[in-house]
Amino acid sequence: QKEVEQDPGPLSVPEGAIVSLNCTYSNSAFQYFMWYRQYSRKGPELLMYTYSSGNKEDGRFTAQVDKSSKYISLFIRDSQPSDSATYLCAMSSNYGGSQGNLIFGKGTKLSVKP
Amino acid sequence: DSGVTQTPKHLITATGQRVTLRCSPRSGDLSVYWYQQSLDQGLQFLIQYYNGEERAKGNILERFSAQQFPDLHSELNLSSLELGDSALYFCASSVTGSEQYFGPGTRLTVT
Repeated sequence: QKEVEQDPGPLSVPEGAIVSLNCTYSNSAFQYFMWYRQYSRKGPELLMYTYSSGNKEDGRFTAQVDKSSKYISLFIRDSQPSDSATYLCAMSSNYGGSQGNLIFGKGTKLSVKP
Repeated sequence: DSGVTQTPKHLITATGQRVTLRCSPRSGDLSVYWYQQSLDQGLQFLIQYYNGEERAKGNILERFSAQQFPDLHSELNLSSLELGDSALYFCASSVTGSEQYFGPGTRLTVT
């Protein structure tokens, strides 16, 4: 079993839809959870960062972490064509400047149609 | 723009050759991480440096090495290149360790 599982999609939705992206993980030591957005041939862009369980909202984006189920989600409200990208979840068990390498899901490719 | 810079953007080289990829972290970030992204493996952690010292190693081949210099920029050296080394190579930098900011990447093609 891979440490982080993410459905690769592709996921196609109409403009304005609510998008739900998910990852599951197996390592209970993970405490830091991130979502990155990656446009084609570009570097990953940090969207959301969450520590431990709970919700975090930033504009149209909401990140949820359920550590008891080892499940994280990213919701995108009022999706726009500019949201079309690959979304990567990432996790880490370490904090601090000395360590913190991320374990990534393989990414879900999202397409928002006008 | 994340503030992390990488050069070159593209690199095309032949099997058996050696290349050097360069990364400048965001101002103030002491940690630099190197990742490899391929279609089949996704984003994989290679190695981390913190303030000039190696701190963690991931799936890095023995043919690959890295260093971080006193000005905190980092270089990833790839030698005896094989076709399978063709990938996107990213560096990321961080203050906290978990919030990592990625550069634009170097696309390496080995022919």
